[in-house]
Amino acid sequence: AQTVTQSQPEMSVQEAETVTLSCTYDTSESDYYLFWYKQPPSRQMILVIRQEAYKQQNATENRFSVNFQKAAKSFSLKISDSQLGDAAMYFCAYRSAFQGAQKLVFGQGTRLTINP
Amino acid sequence: DAGVIQSPRHEVTEMGQEVTLRCKPISGHDYLFWYRQTMMRGLELLIYFNNNVPIDDSGMPEDRFSAKMPNASFSTLKIQPSEPRDSAVYFCASSLKNYGYTFGSGTRLTVV
Repeated sequence: AQTVTQSQPEMSVQEAETVTLSCTYDTSESDYYLFWYKQPPSRQMILVIRQEAYKQQNATENRFSVNFQKAAKSFSLKISDSQLGDAAMYFCAYRSAFQGAQKLVFGQGTRLTINP
Repeated sequence: DAGVIQSPRHEVTEMGQEVTLRCKPISGHDYLFWYRQTMMRGLELLIYFNNNVPIDDSGMPEDRFSAKMPNASFSTLKIQPSEPRDSAVYFCASSLKNYGYTFGSGTRLTVV
């Protein structure tokens, strides 16, 4: 079974600085998808970014980018120019490309605090 | 599209009562998922459907939990009888194959 590990329960960063959240995963599959989700205090789960495992190019969405290292099974999220609204729990997640295994497997989350 | 719609947003019930949570997925999405979130266990998949058919219910904790999807636009998660340890936030999400989920706002269930 696939597992996702986020080794940083909490992180903090100064406003306008850059922060990187770590994620590693374990799988024997070659075709899959990786995601980062944000959960602010409102508890809404918001998709931040998506990476396809067969693409070498790292995904980018505005201030959010990933460093995807397939061989190392590592998928970190970089947030540039941190803003107060970025404060939230961040979850890394894995989804198989296999038809019969479409569930998302989540890590335990990293709580990000932004210091003004 | 209004997104994934869950109701109720909050539910407080007494132990032993039946609880029904409701979900309307995004039109056109062929996967629907029910997750439970607690501080101790994080996000746990309870069950998911593909084209209204349950595919994996291995996460349903016990027979007190049941889920149905009678059509492409509606699903329910029922707990009968409810227990205090069922207190959690229950999320419904929908998606297309291989894409990220769109989550509902969640239902915070408190069983006293």
